[in-house]
Amino acid sequence: GQQVMQIPQYQHVQEGEDFTTYCNSSTTLSNIQWYKQRPGGHPVFLIQLVKSGEVKKQKRLTFQFGEAKKNSSLHITATQTTDVGTYFCAGRRSGAGNNRKLIWGLGTSLAVNP
Amino acid sequence: DAGITQSPRHKVTETGTPVTLRCHQTENHRYMYWYRQDPGHGLRLIHYSYGVKDTDKGEVSDGYSVSRSKTEDFLLTLESATSSQTSVYFCAVGRGEETQYFGPGTRLLVL
Repeated sequence: GQQVMQIPQYQHVQEGEDFTTYCNSSTTLSNIQWYKQRPGGHPVFLIQLVKSGEVKKQKRLTFQFGEAKKNSSLHITATQTTDVGTYFCAGRRSGAGNNRKLIWGLGTSLAVNP
Repeated sequence: DAGITQSPRHKVTETGTPVTLRCHQTENHRYMYWYRQDPGHGLRLIHYSYGVKDTDKGEVSDGYSVSRSKTEDFLLTLESATSSQTSVYFCAVGRGEETQYFGPGTRLLVL
């Protein structure tokens, strides 16, 4: 069953407001990836986090990987209408033999009101 | 986008008919994956391949089979399509634990 929980499921914000989505795993992850899917499109890779406590930034997007490597977050500062879409986290389990498949969160759909 | 194409892009078929979806890549990625995406279920892995003729099941493999006779092609077959297989199907490729690159998707409607 689903072992990566992602919250919230939906989020509506006014343009200019901040947005955060959280990803929580029941097991330790070797890495976590974030993807964005625009409406009608396909998932597109954003970033991968590997190290415990890692923080990476891409312009207005900040990604964090928890110290225990079981949770992660994506924060968008001052949202724009171009940020609309669904954001997915996907993690790989730690340990041998399980690393080919990603465990996907169900995604957070972001709507931005101009 | 790693040179990934999917065909057909749209298909309407009838219950009970076999359907084959094709994924083609041009950048020699070792790993190839088939996912289905449905509202409320996110992306669910159907089957994946880790080399030519090397495949394994994902979490929703019942009713689906795959074949990979060449590095560049990964075929997904619905043996006898059912309405529950109406979905958007995505192919993805990757080199290992790195990122997965997704194709544009195939919208399948089973009547």
